[in-house]
Amino acid sequence: QAGLTQPPSVSKGLRQTATLTCTGNSNNVGTQGAAWLQQYQGHPPKFLFNRNNNRPSGISERFSASRSGNTASLTITGLQPEDEADYYCSSWDSSLSARVFGGGTKLTVL
Amino acid sequence: EVQLVESGGGLVQPGGSLRLSCAVSGFTFSDYYMDWVRQAPGKGLEWVGHTTGKADSYTTHYAASVKGRFTISRDDTKNSLYLQMNSLKTEDTAVYYCARADFGLDYWGQGTLVTVSS
Repeated sequence: QAGLTQPPSVSKGLRQTATLTCTGNSNNVGTQGAAWLQQYQGHPPKFLFNRNNNRPSGISERFSASRSGNTASLTITGLQPEDEADYYCSSWDSSLSARVFGGGTKLTVL
Repeated sequence: EVQLVESGGGLVQPGGSLRLSCAVSGFTFSDYYMDWVRQAPGKGLEWVGHTTGKADSYTTHYAASVKGRFTISRDDTKNSLYLQMNSLKTEDTAVYYCARADFGLDYWGQGTLVTVSS
């Protein structure tokens, strides 16, 4: 099944800003929005944002989410060493009647 | 506190079957869609399927890769979600997670490892 497109890796310096992208189409991200997850190696994913770009309590305000057309973005400001992780986007695809994931972006904080 | 706990993973031969369980607590189980997601070693997340809640008549949807082999069910009286896996293939080897769906997958279990190997 077709998934969402994420860059495999992004590297940024300490205290810089990283913007991770997630590209889909009009059947998924464009109409359903995208949710974001953070995953550390060996641990289950952690919910960051729902498809309406709402952040649950406990998630740092340094994280924000947005969408423009068929592309969703996750922005992390003031990068910290603990932000180094894998980030996944997901959406519901109305034509496939399936949830689709991006391949994940490995964020490295230099 | 919301908790999801998977169980039932293990080693199984190709062609075999396995049933995973996910015990949940801390929320009204019947109100929510519930998903199964898997992650092969060193790979990304792959959606397996889900079951809708009571309000949507417990409809199920599956990924093409497992359709016809895997079956998702739930027992709201036991606050439990299940994944029956038949005709297992080596490529089904993965950590299997259950997750609650609420405009995104907002709570996850710790996962259970399924290894399909002879």
